Amino acid sequence: ETGVTQSPTHLIKTRGQQVTLRCSSQSGHNTVSWYQQALGQGPQFIFQYYREEENGRGNFPPRFSGLQFPNYSSELNVNALELDDSALYLCASSLDPGAEKLFFGSGTQLSVL
Amino acid sequence: DQQVKQNSPSLSVQEGRISILNCDYTNSMFDYFLWYKKYPAEGPTFLISISSIKDKNEDGRFTVFLNKSAKHLSLHIVPSQPGDSAVYFCAAGPNSGGSNYKLTFGKGTLLTVNP
Repeated sequence: ETGVTQSPTHLIKTRGQQVTLRCSSQSGHNTVSWYQQALGQGPQFIFQYYREEENGRGNFPPRFSGLQFPNYSSELNVNALELDDSALYLCASSLDPGAEKLFFGSGTQLSVL
Repeated sequence: DQQVKQNSPSLSVQEGRISILNCDYTNSMFDYFLWYKKYPAEGPTFLISISSIKDKNEDGRFTVFLNKSAKHLSLHIVPSQPGDSAVYFCAAGPNSGGSNYKLTFGKGTLLTVNP
């Protein structure tokens, strides 16, 4: 059974650029959620994807968008990067959209200069 | 507006003693609570959870207590081991069975267990 994998592990971008982060869900999981963890903070919910559609969103602007593919893997896209977007981005998969237990990947550390 | 609060940024205990990590919440809609452990350069891993219909849940060395009237929960680790040294996050969510489940996390508590 493979766990949640994320790529890349680290990324450096400049303000105004666009970035794409990738996530493969755990085997048997059909739902992917993305969280942002800023330095010194707990993870904050960005959105959830189920059946290739956004299925719930936190308090993040539209420049944060995502995709889910038929194999349940997912991408997080962030346009017009700002300095405050520097954070650890965590992907979590779950058995279904209503499951309480989330299984997290190791995250992508994004630095915006 | 922090709905889940972990007021102790860090905690240091001796190996073999009890570690008690605390968490407070403000949202009455929260109905399910979880603790996650996070090592450096790894994602959070699920540790233990509790539903609001219970006041205690035990799993080996780990016990979570829930006081709904006080909107407070705590994680007890007995006995503490050096390998338990990590950041512990308290998380809360609404009633299960929702169509899009999301967790609200506290800021975490860094536990250091000294040999």
